[in-house]
Order: sequence, then C-alpha cells, then structure tokens
Amino acid sequence: DAKTTQPPSMDCAEGRAANLPCNHSTISGNEYVYWYRQIHSQGPQYIIHGLKNNETNEMASLIITEDRKSSTLILPHATLRDTAVYYCIVRVDPGGYNKLIFGAGTRLAVHP
Amino acid sequence: GAVVSQHPSWVICKSGTSVKIECRSLDFQATTMFWYRQFPKQSLMLMATSNEGSKATYEQGVEKDKFLINHASLTLSTLTVTSAHPEDSSFYICSARDRGRNLYEQYFGPGTRLTVT
Repeated sequence: DAKTTQPPSMDCAEGRAANLPCNHSTISGNEYVYWYRQIHSQGPQYIIHGLKNNETNEMASLIITEDRKSSTLILPHATLRDTAVYYCIVRVDPGGYNKLIFGAGTRLAVHP
Repeated sequence: GAVVSQHPSWVICKSGTSVKIECRSLDFQATTMFWYRQFPKQSLMLMATSNEGSKATYEQGVEKDKFLINHASLTLSTLTVTSAHPEDSSFYICSARDRGRNLYEQYFGPGTRLTVT
C-alpha cells in the first residue's frame, strides 16, 4: 500500500472549517483513500473514504486532487469534540482482509 | 449498529502471568477481526489478522507464541498475552469487518489498557 504524509499537528478555531491535508504521491490506480480519527484513549472511528471523486457525508468532505497524489479532509464546522488524531490511509479495494496500516497522523486541536 | 466491544477495558497483572482480552461484535457477524497495539503517543500498530475458524496471520515481528489469538465464532475473537512483561504494557485495540454490510469500513473497539507490573 502507498505511503502517506501528513503534518504532525494543526490548530483550528471552533466553528471554523478544519482542512487536513494528506500527501500520497505514490498511490496506484486501485487504491482508496481512507480517513479515520482517534479521540484520546478511544478506538479509531471511520470518517470517510474515496477513490477518485470528492465525497461528502454527515461528518466530513473528502477532496481528492485530479492526479490523486493528495487529498484534503474537511470538517466544515469544527467543534471541540473534533479534537483528535486524524489518520489518512491508502489501501487497495477491500476484497481480501481489509488491512489498515496507520501512519503517524495529524493531531488536530480545536480551540474556543 | 456496528458496535464492537472489548473486555476488560483495563487490566493490571503481574509479570509472568497471562492475560486474555476479548473482542466482540455486538450486532453483526465479523468474519475478520484485527488486533492492534498502541504505545503512548504513538500510532496504532497492526499485530495480527484473525479469521473465524482459521489460524491468525501475524505481522512481521509479532511473536505468535506470545500473543495467542483465537477467533472461535463470528462474533468473538480473543487475544491472550502469555507470560506478560512490563514491556507488554500497552493499549490493545481490536477491529472487525462486517461481512454482511459495508466492506469499506472497519469498526473499532474502545481498547483495553494493559499494565504489567
């Protein structure tokens, strides 16, 4: 699976949009981009995933560049409860074991 | 829906003893479960992939005789840390894939904090 690069930490004001970047320049054609987050001392939580097109759900939006070498997770109105470590993971379409390999992630701090 | 539980949520044991951690999918059947370990301020490290009715597949560097995994049913996988030592103290997290629903998601348990004294 392709490697991802994320900034180690980011800050965001409550109520503002949080834009979390992820670089995956070695991504191949059949690899999906996944985002998970982990709130302190809890298990990770699935946020969103995508292949080529931008995606949106009730939690966030995922913007993938046309060349697929990078993506951005957008939390449109960040709240204090969004403070967590966000992981961007690239992996092949699940058909097998759906293994997730976590990198270091981005520690997002949302402040009042 | 898609809830995964772990038991216990925390455990303290003496060095040399064994500890069993349970991972259950509460409202779905999980043909595949995964076990991760996380040290303080570090990311999750995949330890092994557990498939119902078959032997677990361990990641490189993980001792299969020390970390025994059993996936006896579609809703339960167990991780037993044998002859635990202080360096095994960590946060252990399981996850499960719902075979009947969204193949893209993995559902994570809340984690078990193990402290070996």
